[in-house]
Amino acid sequence: NAGVTQTPKFQVLKTGQSMTLQCAQDMNHNSMYWYRQDPGMGLRLIYYSASEGTTDKGEVPNGYNVSRLNKREFSLRLESAAPSQTSVYFCASSEALDRAYEQYFGPGTRLTVT
Amino acid sequence: KQEVTQIPAALSVPEGENLVLNCSFTDSAIYNLQWFRQDPGKGLTSLLLIQSSQREQTSGRLNASLDKSSGRSTLYIAASQPGDSATYLCAVIYFGNEKLTFGTGTRLTIIP
Repeated sequence: NAGVTQTPKFQVLKTGQSMTLQCAQDMNHNSMYWYRQDPGMGLRLIYYSASEGTTDKGEVPNGYNVSRLNKREFSLRLESAAPSQTSVYFCASSEALDRAYEQYFGPGTRLTVT
Repeated sequence: KQEVTQIPAALSVPEGENLVLNCSFTDSAIYNLQWFRQDPGKGLTSLLLIQSSQREQTSGRLNASLDKSSGRSTLYIAASQPGDSATYLCAVIYFGNEKLTFGTGTRLTIIP
């Protein structure tokens, strides 16, 4: 099993450009999440999807949109990138949104916005 | 505010020693607590998950304890090895906020 995969691994954007971060999981999990990790601030939840067809805002959703394409895939889109969005982005999945379940993380996408 | 704190931010220990990493949380009303490992430039690997009804969990050389009344969890690593060098993160799910709240981690270096 590959677990949670993310593409691309690295990306450099100019301010105002757009891009989509892709995430897929092969564990048949219902819930998926997008986080960003910044030095000194820990991981913060951007958006999550409790199940296929649903998405909800997390702690820091401004400047982002998401799509739960199917049960396997959950994408994160930056419509107009800003330097403040320079970060490492992690996708995660869990069996369900129920707090009893562990979350499994992808390897991350390192994004720089100049 | 519901927060998670990990002190110290960095720790260096000689190989072979036993060590304890600390995690504090501000509200005892939690569903569970999860410990992760993060290697440089990599994603997070789940190590242990402790439900609120449990006092501890063990996996190999790792033992995690949970004391809700004092708002503390510890991750005990026995007989440390250079391969244990990584950043260790703890995360909590609080009642009323059913998402993981992360600490900022402790960067552990095991000195050969």
